[in-house]
Amino acid sequence: GQNIDQPTEMTATEGAIVQINCTYQTSGFNGLFWYQQHAGEAPTFLSYNVLDGLEEKGRFSSFLSRSKGYSYLLLKELQMKDSASYLCAATDSNYQLIWGAGTKLIIKP
Amino acid sequence: ETGVTQTPRHLVMGMTNKKSLKCEQHLGHNAMYWYKQSAKKPLELMFVYNFKEQTENNSVPSRFSPECPNSSHLFLHLHTLQPEDSALYLCASSQDLGTGNNEQFFGPGTRLTVL
Repeated sequence: GQNIDQPTEMTATEGAIVQINCTYQTSGFNGLFWYQQHAGEAPTFLSYNVLDGLEEKGRFSSFLSRSKGYSYLLLKELQMKDSASYLCAATDSNYQLIWGAGTKLIIKP
Repeated sequence: ETGVTQTPRHLVMGMTNKKSLKCEQHLGHNAMYWYKQSAKKPLELMFVYNFKEQTENNSVPSRFSPECPNSSHLFLHLHTLQPEDSALYLCASSQDLGTGNNEQFFGPGTRLTVL
């Protein structure tokens, strides 16, 4: 079957760095997305990786290893507004998104 | 603002009621989606439309009935729902289907409570 695993909840301190991991098993693979969702709001796009390696976008970076079925989202210089759920989703051979349950990130002062 | 709007934002209904959720996208996209989001569960894809034609129906009970009159509007008609249908219903759109980097833009969702 197809499956996405990511931690349910993580806690980090303002100003610190946090890494949110995601492992995936899909029938075929056409890229991996990260979305951010604040409570009561729409998920919003953060990143897309299809090739191995690290993609940096400001304070956020996303990494992909296709051979390991693994990705992570790295958040630097954490701010209180980064408190949100982070959703990992992999695209299968039919270009369908397979979603993880999301990681709730709690930022403490 | 993501360019996708949904109404109502909150809905409480009894099991015998009939109601409809509305979604509108102002992005010129060709594909639209309905998702169900329950606490601590992955997003569940319910329906997909591409150029107004339904392409996916992931074993959704018939008490949920989608309608897509044009590429900008999507409805979800609800009737005789069950309490376990209480969830956040999200609408999304994307430029097309069948591509890898197919970023989806989400609406804010309708929080549905079935009594």
